Amino acid sequence: SQTIHQWPATLVQPVGSPLSLECTVEGTSNPNLYWYRQAAGRGLQLLFYSVGIGQISSEVPQNLSASRPQDRQFILSSKKLLLSDSGFYLCACSVGPFTRSNQPQHFGDGTRLSIL
Amino acid sequence: DAKTTQPTSMDCAEGRAANLPCNHSTISGNEYVYWYRQIHSQGPQYIIHGLKNNETNEMASLIITEDRKSSTLILPHATLRDTAVYYCGKRGSNYKLTFGKGTLLTVNP
Repeated sequence: SQTIHQWPATLVQPVGSPLSLECTVEGTSNPNLYWYRQAAGRGLQLLFYSVGIGQISSEVPQNLSASRPQDRQFILSSKKLLLSDSGFYLCACSVGPFTRSNQPQHFGDGTRLSIL
Repeated sequence: DAKTTQPTSMDCAEGRAANLPCNHSTISGNEYVYWYRQIHSQGPQYIIHGLKNNETNEMASLIITEDRKSSTLILPHATLRDTAVYYCGKRGSNYKLTFGKGTLLTVNP
């Protein structure tokens, strides 16, 4: 089964600074990859998803961006962080056809981002 | 997902079955019910999913009502390590996994 690695585990950044969070997947090829944000009391929010190298779809307009330079690498970035970007960022992975709703998504252990 | 509702918290004695309910009255015909759990500071852990039939795996059982408007996750013999927040969610062909606000299950010795 696949393993999802995320780093760093925690990060404290000042407002206006850049951001780069990395996610890598082991144990599978051509995965579907997702970035979620989990904010307290607001549940899980899908930010981006990718079905292949260089293919990124955005769910919500914001100052974040995502890239997939390699098959099993997914990066979340920002040029200038806002206070509202604080949260718990989760990378997830699923295999098989993207629209198959019976394929579970598996999550990494997340990055807890605090903006000061 | 405000349309998926779960009790905020539940308690269970160690060794007993834990039954966690979820209401998803607006679920669509092609949406699967998913259950995950999350221990603080970790990512959600997949438990089980189903469409309309009851499902069982090595972790839990999932009972879905015939009208699919609610489901129950059953942990047959709860242990202290099962203390976590349990999320009921759904996913259809629109790929998006959405959760409710979760139930904090506390397993007591």
